[in-house]
Amino acid sequence: GNSVTQMEGPVTLSEEAFLTINCTYTATGYPSLFWYVQYPGEGLQLLLKATKADDKGSNKGFEATYRKETTSFHLEKGSVQVSDSAVYFCALDSGGYQKVTFGIGTKLQVIP
Amino acid sequence: DTGVSQDPRHKITKRGQNVTFRCDPISEHNRLYWYRQTLGQGPEFLTYFQNEAQLEKSRLLSDRFSAERPKGSFSTLEIQRTEQGDSAMYLCASSLRDSTDTQYFGPGTRLTVL
Repeated sequence: GNSVTQMEGPVTLSEEAFLTINCTYTATGYPSLFWYVQYPGEGLQLLLKATKADDKGSNKGFEATYRKETTSFHLEKGSVQVSDSAVYFCALDSGGYQKVTFGIGTKLQVIP
Repeated sequence: DTGVSQDPRHKITKRGQNVTFRCDPISEHNRLYWYRQTLGQGPEFLTYFQNEAQLEKSRLLSDRFSAERPKGSFSTLEIQRTEQGDSAMYLCASSLRDSTDTQYFGPGTRLTVL
């Protein structure tokens, strides 16, 4: 079956530090890959997505590249802000009716 | 705001009671999903509707759980004879039929079973 493995948190960074959150996946076929973000007290929001190999998703300074050869979709940001503090979920959708499989989430805390 | 809405946002109930949650998807979305999220975990798929048809149910959805989407618009999720293990955040999401379209999530209903 499909599965997503992401690094466990919490991750604590100082403002303006570089962020990487690792994500690897197991799936049949050619899944679409996503990063969702959950800010404190809010619902899940799509942060970025990539639908095929070598695609790069980007949004709000975050980037992730779909690497089929390493089955990875690592999230990166060059300079984090306090407002980026949230829980980040890596996820995949293997097509059909779009049942999404999520990782356990990585909590990011950015301190001033 | 035309996002996905869920009601109630919080529900506290005693073990053995029945509860019902409602989800209103984005109006033109014909796909609707229910997920469950427990503390420290990612959301887990429960069930999926395309219009009014329930097309898949997860093994997580025991026979105490039932979901409906009678007119292909809003959906309800009912849990009968609640157990403490049912305590979780119940999330609803919707999307268009296109297989590449994004799922948009509601704020969730947090259920606490005492």
